[in-house]
Amino acid sequence: GQQLNQSPQSMFIQEGEDVSMNCTSSSIFNTWLWYKQDPGEGPVLLIALYKAGELTSNGRLTAQFGITRKDSFLNISASIPSDVGIYFCAGQLEGYQKVTFGTGTKLQVIP
Amino acid sequence: DTGVSQDPRHKITKRGQNVTFRCDPISEHNRLYWYRQTLGQGPEFLTYFQNEAQLEKSRLLSDRFSAERPKGSFSTLEIQRTEQGDSAMYLCASSWGQGVYNEQFFGPGTRLTVL
Repeated sequence: GQQLNQSPQSMFIQEGEDVSMNCTSSSIFNTWLWYKQDPGEGPVLLIALYKAGELTSNGRLTAQFGITRKDSFLNISASIPSDVGIYFCAGQLEGYQKVTFGTGTKLQVIP
Repeated sequence: DTGVSQDPRHKITKRGQNVTFRCDPISEHNRLYWYRQTLGQGPEFLTYFQNEAQLEKSRLLSDRFSAERPKGSFSTLEIQRTEQGDSAMYLCASSWGQGVYNEQFFGPGTRLTVL
């Protein structure tokens, strides 16, 4: 089945630093998504990408849909304490509503 | 609060018991999804409804699991003869749309512990 691997698995950064995390897939997706999950809550959508090569920003967040359609990255600039949480990449195939989630990157920000 | 709500938030049960969870989607969302999330993993898709029709089912949804959305509004997920491996967070999400990806809004989840 489809698998999404995220790296790094976890990271500690200083407040104000930029962060980059990656996601690779064993197969292609037509839509790439990035979610953030806080403890005890469901995931919240941060960015959706619909076209290979697409680069999209949402405030301090920037994400790109890889050309091969098998990878994506998320950058967070000037991190702040509330960026703490688990970030999931996710993919969707055309014609299906099922969203396949990655393994997650746990981000901790040191004030 | 007009978000997705789930009830109960926590459920502890003994192995072999049946449990039922409820999800109330955002009002007028026509699509509803169930996911399961185990500790340290991302959510795994279980099933999807468009209105009252169940259109996609994962192989994870064994014959002990059944989901319904009888009137196209709230949904229930029942697990029969629970096993310890069923311990997980069960997440519900809803969306509005007819075509390709529509943003799925997630509820807070029901955490199930099977003893």
